[in-house]
Amino acid sequence: DAGVTQSPTHLIKTRGQQVTLRCSPKSGHDTVSWYQQALGQGPQFIFQYYEEEERQRGNFPDRFSGHQFPNYSSELNVNALLLGDSALYLCASSFQAPNQPQHFGDGTRLSIL
Amino acid sequence: AQTVTQSQPEMSVQEAETVTLSCTYDTSENNYYLFWYKQPPSRQMILVIRQEAYKQQNATENRFSVNFQKAAKSFSLKISDSQLGDTAMYFCVSPLWSQAGGSNYKLTFGKGTLLTVNP
Repeated sequence: DAGVTQSPTHLIKTRGQQVTLRCSPKSGHDTVSWYQQALGQGPQFIFQYYEEEERQRGNFPDRFSGHQFPNYSSELNVNALLLGDSALYLCASSFQAPNQPQHFGDGTRLSIL
Repeated sequence: AQTVTQSQPEMSVQEAETVTLSCTYDTSENNYYLFWYKQPPSRQMILVIRQEAYKQQNATENRFSVNFQKAAKSFSLKISDSQLGDTAMYFCVSPLWSQAGGSNYKLTFGKGTLLTVNP
């Protein structure tokens, strides 16, 4: 049973560019959440997708957008990259039911030069 | 606002000994869960243990147990018989449910405690 998978593992971009990160949820899960983890910090919630709609959003600018596909996989898009966007981006999936734990992928390390 | 505070940035313990990681939280929820996640150098976030707030009994998972003090809003993690593989960053985590209702929730993480188990 495959867990949460994210791609790519590492990514290097320059300021002003755009990036797309991908996530496939654990089998049976229908909800995907994205988190940003700066070096030495705890993850910060970006947004959550369920039934192909954004259900919740954290304090992130509109440069951060996402999408969920009918097969429950998800993408995170970041436009006009800034140096401060350098971080580990974590995807978590869960089943849409009360109190179901979120399961995390290994993350994508994004470096902005 | 929902906050989670971990006051110990770093801790170390000798192999086979016991260590306790502290956490305090603040929430407006009436019925909630609390979690401890670990993140080893491999960076995958792994669920260690969870506690249901309405249960008075402290949760236990093998060598891991919690001391949940609801009135004090305290949620500490005890690791018994520490092993080298327990070396990781440990995060105390509180879910916050969507104001729109339903089962959507986001996780609020503390800043973490870096635990090193020494041989």
